[in-house]
Amino acid sequence: ETGVTQTPRHLVMGMTNKKSLKCEQHLGHNAMYWYKQSAKKPLELMFVYSLEERVENNSVPSRFSPECPNSSHLFLHLHTLQPEDSALYLCASSRTGEQFFGPGTRLTVL
Amino acid sequence: GDSVTQMEGPVTLSEEAFLTINCTYTATGYPSLFWYVQYPGEGLQLLLKATKADDKGSNKGFEATYRKETTSFHLEKGSVQVSDSAVYFCALYGGATNKLIFGTGTLLAVQP
Repeated sequence: ETGVTQTPRHLVMGMTNKKSLKCEQHLGHNAMYWYKQSAKKPLELMFVYSLEERVENNSVPSRFSPECPNSSHLFLHLHTLQPEDSALYLCASSRTGEQFFGPGTRLTVL
Repeated sequence: GDSVTQMEGPVTLSEEAFLTINCTYTATGYPSLFWYVQYPGEGLQLLLKATKADDKGSNKGFEATYRKETTSFHLEKGSVQVSDSAVYFCALYGGATNKLIFGTGTLLAVQP
């Protein structure tokens, strides 16, 4: 238990669906992150929020839309995804350097 | 730019064998170094860390020493267990960018 929770843990969606991933931390951290982990590929940093402001967007397609309403919550809104977007989506939070990860959402796009 | 290189896996060992997973880094300045572990079906967990040269991080029987002269942070354990089977990621923070930079991960499979 790292103090970072993610829901849902598993999600299956069609290419025309709209869904959202949720991440929550109660560690008092001021930065939150979305990562994508695909089989046989390095961990990819997607978005970084610091003090609720997006500070990094690593060329992520617009079908992924993050939202950080406060320092404890982070969302990833998904729409019109592609099968190649199937992956484990990990959320993390930090104060300085060391990041704490949630268990991830296993996303399958049909 | 900053980078982390770790040995490719999978690493397959018998229970009670000695484990070494090599990790080297390239960075400007004085980064902090980390090992994370990912058990099947879970997210990444911090295993150990070291924040300056010659520091030794240790946890659950695992150790790694921050070697600035060889820019390395090799992970070792004297006697592995089946429950240690997981993917291990070496990472650095600091350097040229205040980002956590990960290696590609090394799969460890321990057989009874």
